[in-house]
Amino acid sequence: DADVTQTPRNRITKTGKRIMLECSQTKGHDRMYWYRQDPGLGLRLIYYSFDVKDINKGEISDGYSVSRQAQAKFSLSLESAIPNQTALYFCATTGDTDTQYFGPGTRLTVL
Amino acid sequence: AQSVTQPDIHITVSEGASLELRCNYSYGATPYLFWYVQSPGQGLQLLLKYFSGDTLVQGIKGFEAEFKRSQSSFNLRKPSVHWSDAAEYFCAVGAGDDKIIFGKGTRLHILP
Repeated sequence: DADVTQTPRNRITKTGKRIMLECSQTKGHDRMYWYRQDPGLGLRLIYYSFDVKDINKGEISDGYSVSRQAQAKFSLSLESAIPNQTALYFCATTGDTDTQYFGPGTRLTVL
Repeated sequence: AQSVTQPDIHITVSEGASLELRCNYSYGATPYLFWYVQSPGQGLQLLLKYFSGDTLVQGIKGFEAEFKRSQSSFNLRKPSVHWSDAAEYFCAVGAGDDKIIFGKGTRLHILP
C-alpha cells in the first residue's frame, strides 16, 4: 500500500463551490505539506504543518485553508473555488532529513 | 533567500546518449539537495539526495549527481538514457526551516 494517499484523484467542480482534498499517510511523520503544480512553475507550497497544533502558511495560501485532523491526516479546502485554482495538487510528508514523500496527486479542474 | 534555478525547460537527447541536467541553488549554509522525477500522470519520486560527505551521490535508476560548492551546483547525470527516462525532473534545496524549495523543472524528451 502507498505511504501517502490522496483523495479524490480527479475532481471537476464549478466556480464558487467548496472543495476538500484529503491526504493520509502511514509513514508516522509529523510534518505534512500541500503543494500545487502548474505547468512551467514547478511546485509551490500552499500550507504546511509540523504537528496537529502547528499550521503554517506557505508561499500561496490565499484562497485555501487546511485542517490537520490527526498526525496522519491533512486536508486542503478551497472555500469558494475559482478557475485559476485549476491545478495538480500534491500532499507530502517528511521525517527527520527533509526528504519529502509525495502522494500521487489530485487533478482539480474549476469550471 | 533560498532559490533553485534549472536553466533548461526542455532537453532532448537520443536514447543511449549521456545526460546532464543542470541545477544551481542559492543558500547561505551547506544545503540539503534533492533531485525528484515525475513521470507523466504520476507523483514525484526521489532520485537522490545530498546532505553531507561524498560530493558524488548515487541514486536510483542509474542516476548520479555531483555537489559543487564553488559553483553552487548540483547537476544530475546519467551515462546512457533509456526511453523510460522521459519525464520531468525537479531539483530542490532544503531551506533549513523544514521546507524545501523546488526548481521549475526540466522536461526530458528521448529520441528513439
